[in-house]
Formats: sequence, structure tokens, C-alpha cells
Amino acid sequence: GENVEQHPSTLSVQEGDSAVIKCTYSDSASNYFPWYKQELGKRPQLIIDIRSNVGEKKDQRIAVTLNKTAKHFSLHITETQPEDSAVYFCAARGAGTASKLTFGTGTRLQVTL
Amino acid sequence: EADIYQTPRYLVIGTGKKITLECSQTMGHDKMYWYQQDPGMELHLIHYSYGVNSTEKGDLSSESTVSRIRTEHFPLTLESARPSHTSQYLCASSGSMNTEAFFGQGTRLTVV
Repeated sequence: GENVEQHPSTLSVQEGDSAVIKCTYSDSASNYFPWYKQELGKRPQLIIDIRSNVGEKKDQRIAVTLNKTAKHFSLHITETQPEDSAVYFCAARGAGTASKLTFGTGTRLQVTL
Repeated sequence: EADIYQTPRYLVIGTGKKITLECSQTMGHDKMYWYQQDPGMELHLIHYSYGVNSTEKGDLSSESTVSRIRTEHFPLTLESARPSHTSQYLCASSGSMNTEAFFGQGTRLTVV
């Protein structure tokens, strides 16, 4: 089955700096890669996703890059703000009707003033 | 409003009790998931369903069961609750194509 590794497990940056979280996946057939943000006491919510036919996607201060050859994808947050502090999860899903989402272990991002 | 609903939100029960956590979604999604998560920690997959009468066990499934008789409903049953089951349980659903998964608000379970 799919295995998703996520690094780092914790990340502390100063407000205004950039943050990068990296994930690798094992199943070369995976073709969908979402990123979720979970604030304290709340449910995970999708912030951005990318499909295997695209190498990069941006949404304001958030971007995701995908390297299919190396089987890794990354989340980039620019101009970080205190409200970006949360736990971030990457995930991967393969092709096929029975394929399921496999999550990384999460990264706790702390944006300090 | 299309959403995914979990009940109860909070539950405190005694050791040895049988409990069922409810999850329903109104989005017509064929895939549904149960995760166990301690606050701010990893999402551990307990069970997965890719359609009616089609379920798979996850990493932590050995002490629980699920059923998927209807598309919209995916209950999780703990046959004999233990203090080690104390955690938050999150239900999620997604469509058959590569679309996002939506999470319910969770059930926070405490076994005393």
C-alpha cells in the first residue's frame, strides 16, 4: 500500500518568513495530493491540492509543487502570519475506484511574532 | 446543507461498554473513512469504505467494526471500550474521482 512520509514534524518560523513542508510517497500510481490544515480543536480542512498532471499550483500565499519522478511534493507558505499556526497534513491517493487517501504524520507549524 | 455529521460530539462511558459512533454524509460520496487522532497528532486510519458493503481495515481496526449498508451512513462500533480508546474519532468522506475529503467535527471519547 501507499506510504507517505512528512518532514519536519515541527517547524517554527518568524512572522513574515517562508515555511516549507515536504512529503514523499511510495506508490508511483498516486495521482492526487491534497494538503490539509488543522487548527487547534478543529477538524482538518483542505487548503490546496494538486493532481499529477500539474507540477505547481498557487493560491495567494500558498503553493504546492510536485515532482513525480522523485515522488515528492511540497507545501510552501510565504509571508507567514500568526493565523498560519496549525498542524498541516499532506496526503496521497492512487488511481482506481477503491484507492484511499493516505496521510502523512503531520507538521506542527508555529509562527512567532 | 451538504455536510458530514458525527454524533455524539462528546461521550464519556465506562470500561467494557459497547458503543457506536455515528457518521452520516449528505454529499453522495462513495468513500468514507474513520480516523483516530489524539490532539494535534497523527491521523490513524481505523476503517475505510469505498462503497456499500465494501470495507477495509486500517492500522488500528482490531478492536472495532464498521458497516456500510447505505451510502450515506458509516457507523463505527467498539465492542468493549477500554481506557486506551480515549481519543478523538474523525469521520471523513470523499467522491469517487480525485476530489477532496471532508471531515466531520469529530467525537471526543473518554473511557473511564
